[in-house]
Amino acid sequence: AQSVAQPEDQVNVAEGNPLTVKCTYSVSGNPYLFWYVQYPNRGLQFLLKYITGDNLVKGSYGFEAEFNKSQTSFHLKKPSALVSDSALYFCAVRDMDSSDRGSTLGRLYFGRGTQLTVWP
Amino acid sequence: NAGVTQTPKFRILKIGQSMTLQCTQDMNHNYMYWYRQDPGMGLKLIYYSVGAGITDKGEVPNGYNVSRSTTEDFPLRLELAAPSQTSVYFCASSYSTGEGTIYFGEGSWLTVV
Repeated sequence: AQSVAQPEDQVNVAEGNPLTVKCTYSVSGNPYLFWYVQYPNRGLQFLLKYITGDNLVKGSYGFEAEFNKSQTSFHLKKPSALVSDSALYFCAVRDMDSSDRGSTLGRLYFGRGTQLTVWP
Repeated sequence: NAGVTQTPKFRILKIGQSMTLQCTQDMNHNYMYWYRQDPGMGLKLIYYSVGAGITDKGEVPNGYNVSRSTTEDFPLRLELAAPSQTSVYFCASSYSTGEGTIYFGEGSWLTVV
């Protein structure tokens, strides 16, 4: 079964400091990994994704994520946090296991979300 | 740049009432999804569709129905609303199931009282 874990419900960081939002995953085959951000009363916005290739993926708003296959992790990072980065962040994994084709193929499995607060 | 459009944004229903959440996308995506979001629970898939005329259940389909008569539209029907259906509902779409990114609408806040 596919699953995503975000071990921290909340992350607090001072503006200007680096931030990390953690994500670990479990998949049967090769993972397709995504990060989304949700601002209050808004929909989810796509930040970045890992499909294949370079383990360091760069995305929107200065965010990047590092894919680590041995640790089954896909942590979201930013070198210098902004107050405007405060939001709810979701990690997701796509079910691409070729042995599980059919009704679940292509589904995104989401973590429970991590609330990031950046204080001035 | 409309993307995925959902209506209504907010709605209050009484127990036992029915309603339809509308969703339309203008990106010619084959795949469409309905998720619900509950606090601290992430997103749960209700129903999805891989193309016009084809729908399938997700993780939490009970109490809901969908249809997909066109590529653009994917309405979600709530029959006999219950307090447990109080949630935020998101419609989403994607071009493919592989590398394709899933794009979300702005959400519909539903309260059942």
